[in-house]
Amino acid sequence: AQSVAQPEDQVNVAEGNPLTVKCTYSVSGNPYLFWYVQYPNRGLQFLLKYITGDNLVKGSYGFEAEFNKSQTSFHLKKPSALVSDSALYFCAVREPTRFNKFYFGSGTKLNVKP
Amino acid sequence: DGGITQSPKYLFRKEGQNVTLSCEQNLNHDAMYWYRQDPGQGLRLIYYSQIVNDFQKGDIAEGYSVSREKKESFPLTVTSAQTTPTAFYLCASSVGLAGSDEQFFGPGTRLTVL
Repeated sequence: AQSVAQPEDQVNVAEGNPLTVKCTYSVSGNPYLFWYVQYPNRGLQFLLKYITGDNLVKGSYGFEAEFNKSQTSFHLKKPSALVSDSALYFCAVREPTRFNKFYFGSGTKLNVKP
Repeated sequence: DGGITQSPKYLFRKEGQNVTLSCEQNLNHDAMYWYRQDPGQGLRLIYYSQIVNDFQKGDIAEGYSVSREKKESFPLTVTSAQTTPTAFYLCASSVGLAGSDEQFFGPGTRLTVL
């Protein structure tokens, strides 16, 4: 079965500390991987994607993500969290040969406390 | 929200009524999508369209219908056959259906059944 897992419903971190939001996937072949952020009652905003190449991908707002093929993971990271980073984060995966299919994780709520 | 507009922002439906959610994009994207978002479940694909006058069912198409008469417009009708329509509905678009294309999302429509 194809799936994306975000094992943590919620992540709490203090402002200024590093943050990690976890994502693992189960998709055949070499998938394309994405991170999106959603603020309350808003649509999703694209943060970054991994297609091929360097395993560390840099994206918007200082976020980065590390692709690990052996662990089938694509964790989102930021060296220093801001209160304004508090939002719902979604990992998504797409199979290269099934273009219609985006598989979204269930989301992780990030709380950054002052 | 990336040049995608959705209206209305809030919609209330009485049982037995059909309602139509609007989605318009000015990004000149070929592909458009409709998702349903329920708490704790991530996003689920309802319908997608690659080109004008063509659309395909997603994972949860029952009780929904769409049309794609213009490249920039992809309205979604929630019919009375949809038994649990209360949800947050998101429209998205992408350049095409290539796996590496990220999606751009509209601000969403919150539908409530009275």
